Amino acid sequence: DGGITQSPKYLFRKEGQNVTLSCEQNLNHDAMYWYRQDPGQGLRLIYYSQIVNDFQKGDIAEGYSVSREKKESFPLTVTSAQKNPTAFYLCASQGSSYEQYFGPGTRLTVT
Amino acid sequence: LAKTTQPISMDSYEGQEVNITCSHNNIATNDYITWYQQFPSQGPRFIIQGYKTKVTNEVASLFIPADRKSSTLSLPRVSLSDTAVYYCLVGDKWAGSYQLTFGKGTKLSVIP
Repeated sequence: DGGITQSPKYLFRKEGQNVTLSCEQNLNHDAMYWYRQDPGQGLRLIYYSQIVNDFQKGDIAEGYSVSREKKESFPLTVTSAQKNPTAFYLCASQGSSYEQYFGPGTRLTVT
Repeated sequence: LAKTTQPISMDSYEGQEVNITCSHNNIATNDYITWYQQFPSQGPRFIIQGYKTKVTNEVASLFIPADRKSSTLSLPRVSLSDTAVYYCLVGDKWAGSYQLTFGKGTKLSVIP
């Protein structure tokens, strides 16, 4: 069953803790993306990666970090430096016609 | 990246055709137009993509006039399950780093 998986679906953390969100794809796509969505808003780009071992900052990268050690995996770490981390996080990979395929998302709540 | 403008919300009755228009006055020569659908608490889903004239697939049609400064997503005979937010995006898919800018989208409510 091909697609993008994100885990967990819901995540709760205390303020000051780092947390890592998982994103895995078996679509054999080179490019992967992380977005953040706040209530009633569109998606904002955090980081993207065009190829293994390479990634670029998006519009709101401050307080986040990523790695791309394998083609299938693109984990996102929300660090304690992120001032407003509570949000819905979406991972996507990009197909050959440049359409993006999104995972189900992780809803992070930091208290 | 070209900026897009869409209506914030639309209502439609079941069975009607819905047309959502997106304005993108500063679209560049290499830019493509892409539409996504998003249900609450889910990731967006690709609907359709086009460059000019008309594109049709099993889900929707996309109409793009000659000047390409706007585009219209057409959903035939909507049902309650089409209630969602629809995003119009414009970008150069041939650039080395293809990024999409999602605005607030159009919230479509289908009424029984």
